[in-house]
Amino acid sequence: AQKVTQAQTEISVVEKEDVTLDCVYETRDTTYYLFWYKQPPSGELVFLIRRNSFDEQNEISGRYSWNFQKSTSSFNFTITASQVVDSAVYFCALSSGFQKLVFGTGTRLLVSP
Amino acid sequence: DTGVSQDPRHKITKRGQNVTFRCDPISEHNRLYWYRQTLGQGPEFLTYFQNEAQLEKSRLLSDRFSAERPKGSFSTLEIQRTEQGDSAMYLCASSLAPSTGTNTEAFFGQGTRLTVV
Repeated sequence: AQKVTQAQTEISVVEKEDVTLDCVYETRDTTYYLFWYKQPPSGELVFLIRRNSFDEQNEISGRYSWNFQKSTSSFNFTITASQVVDSAVYFCALSSGFQKLVFGTGTRLLVSP
Repeated sequence: DTGVSQDPRHKITKRGQNVTFRCDPISEHNRLYWYRQTLGQGPEFLTYFQNEAQLEKSRLLSDRFSAERPKGSFSTLEIQRTEQGDSAMYLCASSLAPSTGTNTEAFFGQGTRLTVV
């Protein structure tokens, strides 16, 4: 069975602080894909990144960076110099073969001015 | 590209009534997914279609739930004899079936929030 664990329920930071959101996954598949989605108050899930299990290179996109480590089954997400607009619920998700996504329970990020 | 569209955005219904939700995917996407999200939880998979074929259904999808995608374009999700436990956000997503060089991320709509009273 596949499982995604986001142990941090809620994180509060002050603007410009760096913050890391943790994601640990479980799967028996050798080929799988990991995702991060952002859910702002409007409710729509916004795609942020996809990683496949064969690509462990870290990725940076602007203020966002992702650290994928197969050895620890983790796919952590760091926001550098956080901004109020980053306030949202962030979900980590796992899938095999681009079929159904298995989501974690999400981490609510509150960035205060 | 107008994104994934869901209608209605909100629905309040009395217990025992039937409800139907509609999802219009991104036009070139051949896969369509339904998820349910309750408060404080991540979305849970319900079912998905490739074109008009329903390829997988979750055990969460009881006999009271039925989904269709008759022409491989829009989809409907019907809940019969609604119960209070059906209260949730129902999310639709669409994607392209995998092929070399194709991005196959799922793009989500804004959801339909159902409240059963």
